[in-house]
Amino acid sequence: DAGVTQSPTHLIKTRGQQVTLRCSPKSGHDTVSWYQQALGQGPQFIFQYYEEEERQRGNFPDRFSGHQFPNYSSELNVNALLLGDSALYLCASSLGTQGGTEAFFGQGTRLTVV
Amino acid sequence: GENVEQHPSTLSVQEGDSAVIKCTYSDSASNYFPWYKQELGKGPQLIIDIRSNVGEKKDQRIAVTLNKTAKHFSLHITETQPEDSAVYFCAASNYGQNFVFGPGTRLSVLP
Repeated sequence: DAGVTQSPTHLIKTRGQQVTLRCSPKSGHDTVSWYQQALGQGPQFIFQYYEEEERQRGNFPDRFSGHQFPNYSSELNVNALLLGDSALYLCASSLGTQGGTEAFFGQGTRLTVV
Repeated sequence: GENVEQHPSTLSVQEGDSAVIKCTYSDSASNYFPWYKQELGKGPQLIIDIRSNVGEKKDQRIAVTLNKTAKHFSLHITETQPEDSAVYFCAASNYGQNFVFGPGTRLSVLP
């Protein structure tokens, strides 16, 4: 049973460019959440997707957008990259949107903006 | 919104000793409290969780306690081993599954 998989593992982009990160949830899970983890800090919630719709959103600008596909996989898009967007981007999958259920994280995508 | 504090930021213990990490949260509506272990270059790994209707939960060498009145919860690791060395994060959430994480505790287990 594959866990949460993310691609790519590392990425270097130039300021102003756009990037797309991908996530496949754990088998049986239907909800995907994205987090940004700056170096030395805890993950910060970006948004959550369920039934192909954004259900919740954290305090991130509209440059951050996402998508969920019918097979529950998800993409995170970031436009007009800033140096401050350099971070580890984590995808977490869970079942449903009710609280109290386990969420499992992928290994992350390390994004470096130069 | 929810705010989670975590202490200490770094913790060094001798192999075989116990380690305790404490977290406090601000939103009384939070009802689910997971703990994650993150090793270098990896994503966070769920190690134990507790729901608001439970005061304590154990899993082998790991235990978590929750005090809803005081809004704090703690992670206890007994008989620590070198492989327990990692960064540990506490988190809190209410319905909706968006976690608010603490800033992390770097645990070093010295052989």
